[in-house]
Amino acid sequence: AQTVTQSQPEMSVQEAETVTLSCTYDTSESDYYLFWYKQPPSRQMILVIRQEAYKQQNATENRFSVNFQKAAKSFSLKISDSQLGDAAMYFCASNRDDKIIFGKGTRLHILP
Amino acid sequence: DSGVTQTPKHLITATGQRVTLRCSPRSGDLSVYWYQQSLDQGLQFLIHYYNGEERAKGNILERFSAQQFPDLHSELNLSSLELGDSALYFCASSVWSSYNSPLHFGNGTRLTVT
Repeated sequence: AQTVTQSQPEMSVQEAETVTLSCTYDTSESDYYLFWYKQPPSRQMILVIRQEAYKQQNATENRFSVNFQKAAKSFSLKISDSQLGDAAMYFCASNRDDKIIFGKGTRLHILP
Repeated sequence: DSGVTQTPKHLITATGQRVTLRCSPRSGDLSVYWYQQSLDQGLQFLIHYYNGEERAKGNILERFSAQQFPDLHSELNLSSLELGDSALYFCASSVWSSYNSPLHFGNGTRLTVT
């Protein structure tokens, strides 16, 4: 069975600082995608960034970037210059067999 | 606005009852996914339909069923409801059934079973 593990239930970061959220996954797929989704207090699910496993270059979207370590099956999210609006639950996700499986999430607090 | 519409937004019902949750995918999207999110939990995958056909099933209870209609909207039916079924139910859509299409989520239906 495929699993996606987020080992940090909660994290806090000072506004304007950088924070890294961890995610590990387990898959037997040779090609797959990895995603980070954000869920603010409004409970909407918002795609933050995605990574294609066959691409070695780490994906970047403005202040959000990933550190993809394929051999270690690790997919961490780095948020630079943290802003109050970044406060949310962050979910790591991966696909397998027409399913997209989510981790249990990391709640990120931004300290002013 | 993701373009995915879920109705109703809120639903309060009693144990033992049956409810139907509706999802209209984004225009042009052929895939619909259903997820259950219990309080402060992650998203549990329930089921995936692509162009009217079931493509994948998660740990969906036998009391739950779903379908995708020819106009691509989908319904999730929950029957013999229990208190533990109280949750936020998300629908998400994507263009294809393959993994390289990101999911676009609706705002969810909040189900409360009393």
